[in-house]
Amino acid sequence: GAGVSQSPSNKVTEKGKDVELRCDPISGHTALYWYRQSLGQGLEFLIYFQGNSAPDKSGLPSDRFSAERTGGSVSTLTIQRTQQEDSAVYLCASSWSDRAGANVLTFGAGSRLTVL
Amino acid sequence: AQSVTQPDIHITVSEGASLELRCNYSYGATPYLFWYVQSPGQGLQLLLKYFSGDTLVQGIKGFEAEFKRSQSSFNLRKPSVHWSDAAEYFCAVGAAGAGSYQLTFGKGTKLSVIP
Repeated sequence: GAGVSQSPSNKVTEKGKDVELRCDPISGHTALYWYRQSLGQGLEFLIYFQGNSAPDKSGLPSDRFSAERTGGSVSTLTIQRTQQEDSAVYLCASSWSDRAGANVLTFGAGSRLTVL
Repeated sequence: AQSVTQPDIHITVSEGASLELRCNYSYGATPYLFWYVQSPGQGLQLLLKYFSGDTLVQGIKGFEAEFKRSQSSFNLRKPSVHWSDAAEYFCAVGAAGAGSYQLTFGKGTKLSVIP
């Protein structure tokens, strides 16, 4: 597609429920990132996918968080047993470059998660 | 590991005034440096980047930034601010070494513009 598409744009859930957030990257982009943006905290790296390589999961805050990328394209970020501190905007980005550190990211508009 | 500091949380300028947003990074080698802008409810958009070469880089919307190795800085500037520049600005650093693909972002500077 023309840009990075994320859904849902807004999600309100109850504490303890599971949520799935979807990211559809730009066609042809081999790299896909998930970041979390909390109020006043900037962007926190969560996970990175590059082609068929094993993902870099070093930023996932707990084992309640997981992500997968099917067919090298669409990615789903899953949060199990949501907690109130999970409330944030979850941003997905994709990139065509695989040069470490030099990737120019194109971001989606984000999924705003509110846990009541 | 790399890190980024944006010392100013919120800056207010008058329309037409000049602007400088500060960014300091910490990294042991020459980094890759970026400035992104985020309008309310939107994702981040790349303003400019520095990979190598000329230390003064030009970006979109009339922005420029200068890489100063001695000061570990990559400040963003614009000579005359427009009301549409009101947004949040993020500086980011990427490690130039192999195996590190994540960008580390600062906490952002929110820019307000007075008409």
